Amino acid sequence: SQQGEEDPQALSIQEGENATMNCSYKTSINNLQWYRQNSGRGLVHLILIRSNEREKHSGRLRVTLDTSKKSSSLLITASRAADTASYFCATATWNRDDKIIFGKGTRLHILP
Amino acid sequence: NAGVTQTPKFRVLKTGQSMTLLCAQDMNHEYMYWYRQDPGMGLRLIHYSVGEGTTAKGEVPDGYNVSRLKKQNFLLGLESAAPSQTSVYFCASSDSGGNYEQYFGPGTRLTVT
Repeated sequence: SQQGEEDPQALSIQEGENATMNCSYKTSINNLQWYRQNSGRGLVHLILIRSNEREKHSGRLRVTLDTSKKSSSLLITASRAADTASYFCATATWNRDDKIIFGKGTRLHILP
Repeated sequence: NAGVTQTPKFRVLKTGQSMTLLCAQDMNHEYMYWYRQDPGMGLRLIHYSVGEGTTAKGEVPDGYNVSRLKKQNFLLGLESAAPSQTSVYFCASSDSGGNYEQYFGPGTRLTVT
């Protein structure tokens, strides 16, 4: 069963705009990770946020974590055509941190 | 460093045939994983390994077997392929399980007819 669930399933925005994707999960976590997948390629790790952290930044990416709501958001600022991809959240639970469980992803399309 | 490599990249099998997918990593990672990705389903964990000589079942292990005889290699076997196993298979490795990022291979697209 999948732990994380991304919202929306698909998102189209104009180049230059900000894109926000959300992830909700069900059980207590050790950490939450975000990955990007370009069409036909493997996943690439973007950022990891631990359960005792509330916000992390990496370049144009900003991730927040609200453990009380069991949710996370990924914000991509000043979007570019190269940001067109699928984005997945993945969670590692406290009692089984030898693996992570992926959500179904958000497909992001940046319009020129 | 090549990172994580997978062979083959594409394969077509007939129902009942067998095959082995090879994953290799050159990062000296302890943990290795096999996932399958189907449209609209995200990634689902098939089997994984927490170290050389170990294997464990994931979310969807039926119809697959794995072996980790060497630390750098993780093999995924299909003994009798079924059309339901048509999918894209990804291998990943990690330094320390779920506590750190996973590095993914480019994938193997398998079609079972």
